[in-house]
Amino acid sequence: DTGVSQNPRHKITKRGQNVTFRCDPISEHNRLYWYRQTLGQGPEFLTYFQNEAQLEKSRLLSDRFSAERPKGSFSTLEIQRTEQGDSAMYLCASSLLRGPFYNEQFFGPGTRLTVL
Amino acid sequence: AQSVAQPEDQVNVAEGNPLTVKCTYSVSGNPYLFWYVQYPNRGLQFLLKYITGDNLVKGSYGFEAEFNKSQTSFHLKKPSALVSDSALYFCAVRDDRGSTLGRLYFGRGTQLTVWP
Repeated sequence: DTGVSQNPRHKITKRGQNVTFRCDPISEHNRLYWYRQTLGQGPEFLTYFQNEAQLEKSRLLSDRFSAERPKGSFSTLEIQRTEQGDSAMYLCASSLLRGPFYNEQFFGPGTRLTVL
Repeated sequence: AQSVAQPEDQVNVAEGNPLTVKCTYSVSGNPYLFWYVQYPNRGLQFLLKYITGDNLVKGSYGFEAEFNKSQTSFHLKKPSALVSDSALYFCAVRDDRGSTLGRLYFGRGTQLTVWP
């Protein structure tokens, strides 16, 4: 499968615990995005990387959230001291930097987080 | 500020009938517009995009969308609906200028149900 992959697909945790999600983008894609989707809402932008550089962060990304893309390939999103309000689907997407398809973001299946 | 509105939470159509899913947008620059579809427990799948050029854009699975600059709309259409088209549809917009070049702004989604 050459699409965007995310692991784990589901995560259940207790309030106060830390969680980390991984995203593997399509191999030649330079840009990587994280979004959060809650029930009944469209995805909301969290952050995006161009290669290993984190170029933009949403105000939704509180101090408890941190994202990395250390070698410009896979990315991790960590949430510290989880709260029940963090329960959501976390979506990763990737896109090319240039070329005819550079505007298209390809999404992974998401990681569904439930905080008890 | 950039935003997308999908005024209908649900659209119900009979199989074989034409369908329209509405979307209006607001951006400060020129819009890049997208439609995505989401099936249960799946990530978002790209359907089509408008960047520039012809106002009528054709995409996957027989879908098309019409860009109307004066009405700031980008409605999704299909001449003949299939039961398999039943899913959650999201409209999204990107601005072509400013500091938010990376992010997509999504609407809340429209649940399309096609009944046999």
